[in-house]
Amino acid sequence: NAGVTQTPKFQVLKTGQSMTLQCAQDMNHNSMYWYRQDPGMGLRLIYYSASEGTTDKGEVPNGYNVSRLNKREFSLRLESAAPSQTSVYFCASSEWGSGAKNIQYFGAGTRLSVL
Amino acid sequence: AQTVTQSQPEMSVQEAETVTLSCTYDTSESNYYLFWYKQPPSRQMILVIRQEAYKQQNATENRFSVNFQKAAKSFSLKISDSQLGDTAMYFCAFMKQALSGTYKYIFGTGTRLKVLA
Repeated sequence: NAGVTQTPKFQVLKTGQSMTLQCAQDMNHNSMYWYRQDPGMGLRLIYYSASEGTTDKGEVPNGYNVSRLNKREFSLRLESAAPSQTSVYFCASSEWGSGAKNIQYFGAGTRLSVL
Repeated sequence: AQTVTQSQPEMSVQEAETVTLSCTYDTSESNYYLFWYKQPPSRQMILVIRQEAYKQQNATENRFSVNFQKAAKSFSLKISDSQLGDTAMYFCAFMKQALSGTYKYIFGTGTRLKVLA
């Protein structure tokens, strides 16, 4: 059972570089999410996608873009990385609606350092 | 705006003892879900327990149970017979419906629990 798979697990960037974090889920979930985790701040929502073809901003969207490529995949792009984007990034997915348990399942995280 | 507050940044407990982690939240909604997640040093987020607000009965999962006080907007986690493997960061989360129809989580800042041998 793969669940939610994130790549890469670790990444070091220089300020101004771009990169894309990949996320895929094999649970046939409608919704997918991207969070960042910083010390003392819990998890904060960057972007989410209720279903294929839709994306919405979360709490901290500035500096990021997302693409819901299909039902399985939801990528997060940093166009011009900044040191403030040094963080651990988590992708999650969930099913929602009548009868759903509304539980979010998380990937293993990506530790990103921007120098 | 909904908020989730975990007022205990760090806690410790002796192995086999019981510990309670606090969580309070603020919302004007009547129907929602609450969760506790565990994050061990591996970083993986693991669901511990889930509570539906319309259910009066407190949720339990083996050694884990909650004390859900809807009127007080309190959702504490009790861990009985603590084990070394319970050492982790624990996050309380509130789930609300988003405008797009899906659901979003709001997380507290976490409580770091250390179980002592």
